[in-house]
Amino acid sequence: NAGVTQTPKFQVLKTGQSMTLQCAQDMNHEYMSWYRQDPGMGLRLIHYSVGAGITDQGEVPNGYNVSRSTTEDFPLRLLSAAPSQTSVYFCASSLILLGEQYFGPGTRLTVT
Amino acid sequence: KNEVEQSPQNLTAQEGEFITINCSYSVGISALHWLQQHPGGGIVSLFMLSSGKKKHGRLIATINIQEKHSSLHITASHPRDSAVYICAVGSTGNQFYFGTGTSLTVIP
Repeated sequence: NAGVTQTPKFQVLKTGQSMTLQCAQDMNHEYMSWYRQDPGMGLRLIHYSVGAGITDQGEVPNGYNVSRSTTEDFPLRLLSAAPSQTSVYFCASSLILLGEQYFGPGTRLTVT
Repeated sequence: KNEVEQSPQNLTAQEGEFITINCSYSVGISALHWLQQHPGGGIVSLFMLSSGKKKHGRLIATINIQEKHSSLHITASHPRDSAVYICAVGSTGNQFYFGTGTSLTVIP
């Protein structure tokens, strides 16, 4: 099993550009989440999904969109990148809601 | 307002020392998690517990539900234990709240 995979590992964007961070898991987990990690702050939930076709907002959803067309994939879209979105992004999955989280390796995003 | 508070923020220990990291939370929880983040950035789950105590190798996690407090202990610490340890709670409101982490350095 590959677990949770994320691409790309690193990305630099200019303000206003859009892009999609990819996340996939091969553990047949229903629950998937996107977090951002910033210095001095805990991980913060951006969006989450409780199954294919179902998504909901987390603590910091503004500027991000998600969709869940399959159980395996949960992409995160930045619509118009801003410097405030410079962060490390982690995707995670779990078998049950609020259960043990399996994290991807992270994507380090810089917006200039 | 931080739903999860960890202490200390930074910790330096000599190899072999017994280490304790503390976590206090202010929300009702379904479970508490301890995570480890290595310098390379990857995050792995160490423990998930909702009562009592769990042990895995040299790591022990305890939780006191009444006091809303959990501790992570590392016995006979080793330089490979150097990492950031993160406390997280799954709340009864179906949200995850994360502490800011404790950065541990174990010196040989």
